[in-house]
Amino acid sequence: DIQMTQSPSSLSASVGDSLTITCRASQSISNFLSWYQQKPGKAPELLIYAASSLQSGVPSRFSGSGSGTDFTLTISSLQPEDFATYHCQQSYGAPWTFGPGTNVEIK
Amino acid sequence: EVQLVESGGGLVQPGGSLRLSCAASGFTFSAYWMSWVRQAPGKGLEWVANIKHDGSEKYYVDSVKGRFTISRDNAKNSLYLQMNSLRVEDTAVYFCARIGGSGSFAYWGQGTLVTVSS
Repeated sequence: DIQMTQSPSSLSASVGDSLTITCRASQSISNFLSWYQQKPGKAPELLIYAASSLQSGVPSRFSGSGSGTDFTLTISSLQPEDFATYHCQQSYGAPWTFGPGTNVEIK
Repeated sequence: EVQLVESGGGLVQPGGSLRLSCAASGFTFSAYWMSWVRQAPGKGLEWVANIKHDGSEKYYVDSVKGRFTISRDNAKNSLYLQMNSLRVEDTAVYFCARIGGSGSFAYWGQGTLVTVSS
């Protein structure tokens, strides 16, 4: 199975900050990488697919990059509604697997 | 508007069975691959199963193979997950999801809680 890791596991930030979350795959997954935002008690929501494609309706302050094994999610100018947990997911090899999540908290 | 609404969760004893349903609306259900994804309490997300738009292909995570069966009824715009021989470790919120570009989970239901406990 392809293992996904994320760093950091949690971080504190302020409204207006820019932040970057890293996701690493245990083997090359080309660009088959998606990012999700999840708030407590809610379903995840797709932010980015194919490593860098913004899902329809997602604000442009979210962006993704990377290929192969290393990927990043960047949020520019953090907004109050962005405090949540972020998950990465690979769909290159079966079984599809998720990273453990990164919790973004208010400083 | 795409809507996915799960039902069928509840409390079941180890070894028991449960059937989850997902009612889809707002899109042409028969044109899309669909999935089940679960999340144990306080834990991360785990993909469970996929089914092709016509039901001809199905894929499962190893931990549920032989116990869970994914199916769909395109005439009823519905997705199902039959869960047999349930284990304590199957306790989770189960989400149905529509597969999007590059194997992403583009749309999600609100989830239904399955608790396996004696």
